[in-house]
Amino acid sequence: EDQVTQSPEALRLQEGESSSLNCSYTVSGLRGLFWYRQDPGKGPEFLFTLYSAGEEKEKERLKATLTKKESFLHITAPKPEDSATYLCAVQGGKTSGSRLTFGEGTQLTVNP
Amino acid sequence: DAGVIQSPRHEVTEMGQEVTLRCKPISGHDYLFWYRQTMMRGLELLIYFNNNVPIDDSGMPEDRFSAKMPNASFSTLKIQPSEPRDSAVYFCASSLGLFASVDFGPGTRLTVT
Repeated sequence: EDQVTQSPEALRLQEGESSSLNCSYTVSGLRGLFWYRQDPGKGPEFLFTLYSAGEEKEKERLKATLTKKESFLHITAPKPEDSATYLCAVQGGKTSGSRLTFGEGTQLTVNP
Repeated sequence: DAGVIQSPRHEVTEMGQEVTLRCKPISGHDYLFWYRQTMMRGLELLIYFNNNVPIDDSGMPEDRFSAKMPNASFSTLKIQPSEPRDSAVYFCASSLGLFASVDFGPGTRLTVT
């Protein structure tokens, strides 16, 4: 069974204080690792897909990286508008029926 | 594009009543997913369709839950009878391809009293 564990559960940063969110996973035959952002009262919004170890993707202040066991979402000089819950999900191909398995998320708060 | 559309956005009902949630996926997407989100269990996949055909319903919790997709632009998730433990936010999502990024709707917040 695919599993995803995100840490920390909650993170509070000052504006401009860089940090990283962690997503540890076990999956049989990784097809892709996805990062989503979810604002209160809204559906998750797609950020990145990573397919293989060593891959990196960037978008504004966010950078996602992938190893064989975990992924990091690095946030550089965050702003209050980056406050949201960040969800990690994996998609396997062997035993999971190719469904997305989500982690519990990291709730990020960036204070001005 | 208007994105994935869900209705209603909020639903409050009494235990034992039938609840029907509705979804219009993004035009051209061939996969449609129904997810449920709770504080206790996070986001869980209930069922997904490919070209209107149910592919995997192993996440549907009980026989009280059923989903249909009569055409490419409409799907329903029905709960009958509803119970308080069904209270959650239900998301509909769609994608172009099974291994593509998934676009989520705004969700339906269901409260069963």
